[in-house]
Amino acid sequence: QVQLQESGPGLVKPSETLSLTCTVSGGSIRNYYWSWIRQPPGKGLEWIGYLYYSGSTNYNPSLKSRVTISGDTSKNQFYLKLSSVTAADTAVYYCARTEYDILTGYYSDLWGQGTVVTVSS
Amino acid sequence: EIVMTQSPATLSVSPGERATLSCRASQSVSSKLAWYQQKPGQAPRLLIYGASTRATGIPARFSGSGSGTEFTLTISSLQSEDFAVYYCQQYNNWLAWTFGQGTKVEIK
Repeated sequence: QVQLQESGPGLVKPSETLSLTCTVSGGSIRNYYWSWIRQPPGKGLEWIGYLYYSGSTNYNPSLKSRVTISGDTSKNQFYLKLSSVTAADTAVYYCARTEYDILTGYYSDLWGQGTVVTVSS
Repeated sequence: EIVMTQSPATLSVSPGERATLSCRASQSVSSKLAWYQQKPGQAPRLLIYGASTRATGIPARFSGSGSGTEFTLTISSLQSEDFAVYYCQQYNNWLAWTFGQGTKVEIK
């Protein structure tokens, strides 16, 4: 079955760029939307943005100036870059497959296990 | 941005009882709403989408209802594995998909 796995550095210095990869196995990234969501320690979920496999993107307005989501269909991977990080960006970062149905809208039906990213010097 | 407000913050329920969780949107999201369950140390799991459609493999004791600005997740008879945090998320505003702050369902 389709599985998602996040990977990347667990520690990033303030003002640097956080870079994460989500590898999709057991299926293709084509014909789906792919999202990034994060969860600060002890807090709720925050949607970061999504990528459609064709390349179109949509970002949370509060993060838009710092976020880039991209993908590589040949590698079945998609990526998150978040620039100029601060301690407030410390969180568990999840990647998720997001489906679209004309009647019911979007929904994220498959999630990775999450990866912890700490911003600290 | 559409603000999603969940209530109550914490719900204490005995096993076998019914649990009713609420989610309110600051403006209409039509039926573009999903519910997720999250247990400690785990990723969220999709329960309901389109406000009322159960996701694959979700037991029938979970049901969703509502449209516009008022939504409800009902767990008809709580099982031990249902004690968790539940989040709603709206997908109506394609500019920003926002989550509620969560409702923790704990054992009474």
